[in-house]
Amino acid sequence: EAGVAQSPRYKIIEKRQSVAFWCNPISGHATLYWYQQILGQGPKLLIQFQNNGVVDDSQLPKDRFSAERLKGVDSTLKIQPAKLEDSAVYLCASSAMTGDGNQPQHFGDGTRLSIL
Amino acid sequence: EDKVVQSPLSLVVHEGDTVTLNCSYEVTNFRSLLWYKQEKKAPTFLFMLTSSGIEKKSGRLSSILDKKELFSILNITATQTGDSAIYLCAVVGNYGQNFVFGPGTRLSVLP
Repeated sequence: EAGVAQSPRYKIIEKRQSVAFWCNPISGHATLYWYQQILGQGPKLLIQFQNNGVVDDSQLPKDRFSAERLKGVDSTLKIQPAKLEDSAVYLCASSAMTGDGNQPQHFGDGTRLSIL
Repeated sequence: EDKVVQSPLSLVVHEGDTVTLNCSYEVTNFRSLLWYKQEKKAPTFLFMLTSSGIEKKSGRLSSILDKKELFSILNITATQTGDSAIYLCAVVGNYGQNFVFGPGTRLSVLP
């Protein structure tokens, strides 16, 4: 089966600019996750969708980050405006069923964001 | 606050050695613990553990969970240079609505 697709692979922007990332999950996976992974750290969950509804966005910095999954398939994550501390790899993952913790997440290759 | 602690954070061994990676956790309403291997790109799934004392095995890798003591170990026997990676432990809590990753153990296997 095709894996989780993310684009772009790399993005370099200046602080205060805007950026958007795109994710296409594995076909049929109802649950989609966005993670931020700062160099040397484990991934941190930003937001979890089940179909097109938000399950958990408690760690999403809502003053600058937004995410949507309008049709319950693809998702976009946006940062506006970017700060230096947003430099990280942004990983998208998906899992089957309802994200009840009994299905493993499958990750995309990530988007590496560098803020100048 | 839910948290995952992994040890050691970094480990260097030689090919053929056996390694044990540790993961301890605190999470509300535990559902499962997962191990992932991360090389240069995406973490790849290794194991999911939900029950204590049942070893999961895949080739040279094995893992077990102790829900009473709140920890898991990942064993790799006869290590190879291709095992060099970051090994991530994650726990799922709060009825599947809270995913927390540990910082990872960076394993380097020298020829």
